[in-house]
Amino acid sequence: EIVLTQSPATLSLSPGERATLSCRASQSVRNYLAWYQQKPGQAPRLLIHDTSNRATGIPARFSGSGSGTDFTLTISSLEPEDFAVYYCQQRSNWLFGGGTKVEIK
Amino acid sequence: QVQLVQSGAEVKKPGASVKVSCKASGYTFTTYTIHWVRQAPGQRLEWMGWIDAGNGNTKYSQNFQGRVTITRDTSASTAYMQLSSLRSEDTAVYYCARENRWFDSWGQGTLVPVSS
Repeated sequence: EIVLTQSPATLSLSPGERATLSCRASQSVRNYLAWYQQKPGQAPRLLIHDTSNRATGIPARFSGSGSGTDFTLTISSLEPEDFAVYYCQQRSNWLFGGGTKVEIK
Repeated sequence: QVQLVQSGAEVKKPGASVKVSCKASGYTFTTYTIHWVRQAPGQRLEWMGWIDAGNGNTKYSQNFQGRVTITRDTSASTAYMQLSSLRSEDTAVYYCARENRWFDSWGQGTLVPVSS
């Protein structure tokens, strides 16, 4: 089965800084990768699908890139509401990565 | 708007079963697949299985094979997830999610603590 590995586990940044999150697949998932944001006590929210397409209502500061086995989620300038945990997911077996926590430095 | 509303928290003892419901509204229930995902405290999201709400076909994660059953009632626009032989490691928040190629809508989550 395809396993997703996210790095780093924790990212400590200040508001206004750029965040770069990584997701690596154990084998190619082509461009079938999505990113979700989860805040404490809330369900996940779809941010990016098919590598680089923002979901409805997602601000332009969120962008995704990559292909095959290496993917990146970039938040161009962190807003206070962006501090959360981010998960990647692939469609082959619907498994999620281990998550990256973006915390306030 | 699309909404998935789940049943409330349930405390269970080891060995028992739990059945969580997920009522859909705001769209045609039978047009989409519903997935179930759980999250143990401080852990990653764990996919459990899905049901095609139209034809009732299901697929389950090997991690839960034999213990999980997903069903649906089209007249009630509701999907159900039953997990049997509960153990303490099954303590988690259980989510349903609609698949629109990806999981574009989620239920609010149902907490199931398993404790003697």
